[in-house]
Amino acid sequence: EPEVTQTPSHQVTQMGQEVILRCVPISNHLYFYWYRQILGQKVEFLVSFYNNEISEKSEIFDDQFSVERPDGSNFTLKIRSTKLEDSAMYFCASSEATSGMISYNEQFFGPGTRLTVL
Amino acid sequence: SQQGEEDPQALSIQEGENATMNCSYKTSINNLQWYRQNSGRGLVHLILIRSNEREKHSGRLRVTLDTSKKSSSLLITASRAADTASYFCATDAQGAQKLVFGQGTRLTINP
Repeated sequence: EPEVTQTPSHQVTQMGQEVILRCVPISNHLYFYWYRQILGQKVEFLVSFYNNEISEKSEIFDDQFSVERPDGSNFTLKIRSTKLEDSAMYFCASSEATSGMISYNEQFFGPGTRLTVL
Repeated sequence: SQQGEEDPQALSIQEGENATMNCSYKTSINNLQWYRQNSGRGLVHLILIRSNEREKHSGRLRVTLDTSKKSSSLLITASRAADTASYFCATDAQGAQKLVFGQGTRLTINP
């Protein structure tokens, strides 16, 4: 069964460093998402991406964050200068779209990348 | 803003019993989805119910949706130890793609 994959599973970085989290969405999906979950808290939406551009983003997704689809398979989240409060589990998700419109929004999540900022 | 909130926050039952978890939300939705998360792991998609549906089944799972009360329930029948996990509902509004998650129900199945 096709699934979303993410690398690395765990990333440890120093405050102020840049990190890139990688995701491979399900191959025929056209909508891509990043969410995060701070330990013990809710899963929070960060950004959605469609047709090579951001379609929706949350207040969390400030100028420190960026997303990119560098090729036909990868979808990346970059945090330019990490802060302690960026420590969280980051989930990538993808969903299928029909004829360029969302007929439904069944989002499938990857296993997550645990980011630890020291 | 819309918000999915589950109750109870924690539920502990014996293996073989049924488990019912509830979710409430505040604004009109397009779909409501339920996910399972084992401790420290990823989110596993369980079931999606659309706003024009009232009930949906998948194996031992039964989901209901009452849009007049803005609530949903997830029933797991004949629970197993492997069902031990946190369960989240997530809603999306019409015209929006983002999912809004609740705090989750932590389900423990005792052997």
